[in-house]
Amino acid sequence: AQKITQTQPGMFVQEKEAVTLDCTYDTSDPSYGLFWYKQPSSGEMIFLIYQGSYDQQNATEGRYSLNFQKARKSANLVISASQLGDSAMYFCAMREGIDYKLSFGAGTTVTVRA
Amino acid sequence: DAGVIQSPRHEVTEMGQEVTLRCKPISGHDYLFWYRQTMMRGLELLIYFNNNVPIDDSGMPEDRFSAKMPNASFSTLKIQPSEPRDSAVYFCASSPLRGSKGGNTIYFGEGSWLTVV
Repeated sequence: AQKITQTQPGMFVQEKEAVTLDCTYDTSDPSYGLFWYKQPSSGEMIFLIYQGSYDQQNATEGRYSLNFQKARKSANLVISASQLGDSAMYFCAMREGIDYKLSFGAGTTVTVRA
Repeated sequence: DAGVIQSPRHEVTEMGQEVTLRCKPISGHDYLFWYRQTMMRGLELLIYFNNNVPIDDSGMPEDRFSAKMPNASFSTLKIQPSEPRDSAVYFCASSPLRGSKGGNTIYFGEGSWLTVV
């Protein structure tokens, strides 16, 4: 079964607008962590933000925020004030229990238009 | 601080040849991961190590693939013999212990782009 589902293969957003990238996950472990990574066209994987399952507040890192809805098993990434440099593939990932490995979703391509 | 360092960055090889990919994790990190990225299968974990010991190698596709970590600062992923379907980007990543500084992050190298013709 797919552990991480990203249903949006591609999105367009206007510069300076906000964009929300969807991510749903599936786990029976009460302890887990959710990650978002950015992969620009150059190929490197850049860590953006982390949310733990027991964290009371939604994680934020600069223009990135994670909309964590535990009951819905949803961990959407919100990018505010989009910039041209935000054009990239974005991956949602999960780490479960005491395990250290990440399971990745299929990714969402974001294209920011001027 | 130096990040995860991978070599070679790009490799083109002929089918049947041996390929060795190398990785130097971030100093002090206890965990090292090898991931493979393809268009068809996305990002998939091949193997990961804790303190140089393989913990989970269930993602290693077949006996043609092997990975070693002889010490805390070096790991190799070897493919022998290589096949065209092995063409992919191979990422090495490392992570410190949870609870330590940066423990909720897995840091990736820039990847090794492998093409087998």
